[in-house]
Amino acid sequence: GQNIDQPTEMTATEGAIVQINCTYQTSGFNGLFWYQQHAGEAPTFLSYNVLDGLEEKGRFSSFLSRSKGYSYLLLKELQMKDSASYLCAVTTDSWGKLQFGAGTQVVVTP
Amino acid sequence: SAVISQKPSRDICQRGTSLTIQCQVDSQVTMMFWYRQQPGQSLTLIATANQGSEATYESGFVIDKFPISRPNLTFSTLTVSNMSPEDSSIYLCSVRGRLRENTEAFFGQGTRLTVV
Repeated sequence: GQNIDQPTEMTATEGAIVQINCTYQTSGFNGLFWYQQHAGEAPTFLSYNVLDGLEEKGRFSSFLSRSKGYSYLLLKELQMKDSASYLCAVTTDSWGKLQFGAGTQVVVTP
Repeated sequence: SAVISQKPSRDICQRGTSLTIQCQVDSQVTMMFWYRQQPGQSLTLIATANQGSEATYESGFVIDKFPISRPNLTFSTLTVSNMSPEDSSIYLCSVRGRLRENTEAFFGQGTRLTVV
């Protein structure tokens, strides 16, 4: 079967760093995405990794290890507006359909 | 980036009726994807719509329940047929970037469907 696992919820204080892990077991791999979704809104793109290593984009960084089937999303200098669900998604073909993990709810406290 | 217009944004429907959701993209794309997000859950792919051919459905989804049209490279519709309260979800259409196949997937704003 296909599995994409990520923690259900994480809590961190404003200004801190949080790392959201994602492990996957899929038949094929053609890239891993991270999305942010605020309640009642559509997902918005954060990052895309297809090669091993770290991709940095402002306060957000994403890491991929294909041999380990593992990724993480690192959120630095947390702000209250970062409170949202973070979705890990894997694409297994070249056309782009995504398989999503269940999402990690990040709660940022003052 | 691609701009996706999806409508209606929300609707409340009676059980047994059908609702057609429209998705319009501002550029030509090969594949369009329809996802469902049930309350408190993540996104699940319903089907992939390729222009000029029948949609490809994921396990657990069938054409009779979720017929899809893809008349051209910028437009698609998803119909939720013979609705029941279990169909209450957010339905989202999505496309991949045009210039490179493996770029971000863009999402419409979603259609929040409540079946009563």
